[in-house]
Amino acid sequence: NAGVTQTPKFRVLKTGQSMTLLCAQDMNHEYMYWYRQDPGMGLRLIHYSVGEGTTAKGEVPDGYNVSRLKKQNFLLGLESAAPSQTSVYFCASSTAGTSGGNEQFFGPGTRLTVL
Amino acid sequence: KQEVTQIPAALSVPEGENLVLNCSFTDSAIYNLQWFRQDPGKGLTSLLLIQSSQREQTSGRLNASLDKSSGRSTLYIAASQPGDSATYLCAGSMDSNYQLIWGAGTKLIIKP
Repeated sequence: NAGVTQTPKFRVLKTGQSMTLLCAQDMNHEYMYWYRQDPGMGLRLIHYSVGEGTTAKGEVPDGYNVSRLKKQNFLLGLESAAPSQTSVYFCASSTAGTSGGNEQFFGPGTRLTVL
Repeated sequence: KQEVTQIPAALSVPEGENLVLNCSFTDSAIYNLQWFRQDPGKGLTSLLLIQSSQREQTSGRLNASLDKSSGRSTLYIAASQPGDSATYLCAGSMDSNYQLIWGAGTKLIIKP
């Protein structure tokens, strides 16, 4: 049981380049989330999904797109990277409804630098 | 709008001491509150989750409490060890989509 995995672990992009971050979970969780974490700030929610084929905007969605084509995968895309998107990106998943109280489980993170 | 605050931002204590980390929130209509641990350069590990109907949860040397009326949660660590050194984050969930509102964390250093 791998839990939540993220690929890649590190990436350096040039301004304007695009990339996709992949998150996978093997816990059969309904809900998945993408966060970014910046120094001195709490985590901020970018996008989330409450089920396969559904996505919704979080607190800071601009410049990002997401897709949830399969229940176990949640993809985060940057179409045209900007230096302001330099951050550590975390994926998380949780159960739906009141089962388990919605405890969120996190991946190890992806460190992205945009030059 | 819900806001979550953690004070202090950093704390250093000698090994063996019992300590309390604080988390406060502005809206008492909180659905649940979760405590996490983050080690440098690593992801977040869930420590304890307290649902709104509960007052506390315990796991080993950790005890978390939730007082909705006062807008506070505390994480109690008994007999602290150097391995407890990490950043501790609290986050509250407000609605059925379970979006978490995060505190900025308390960096804890346990001195041997």
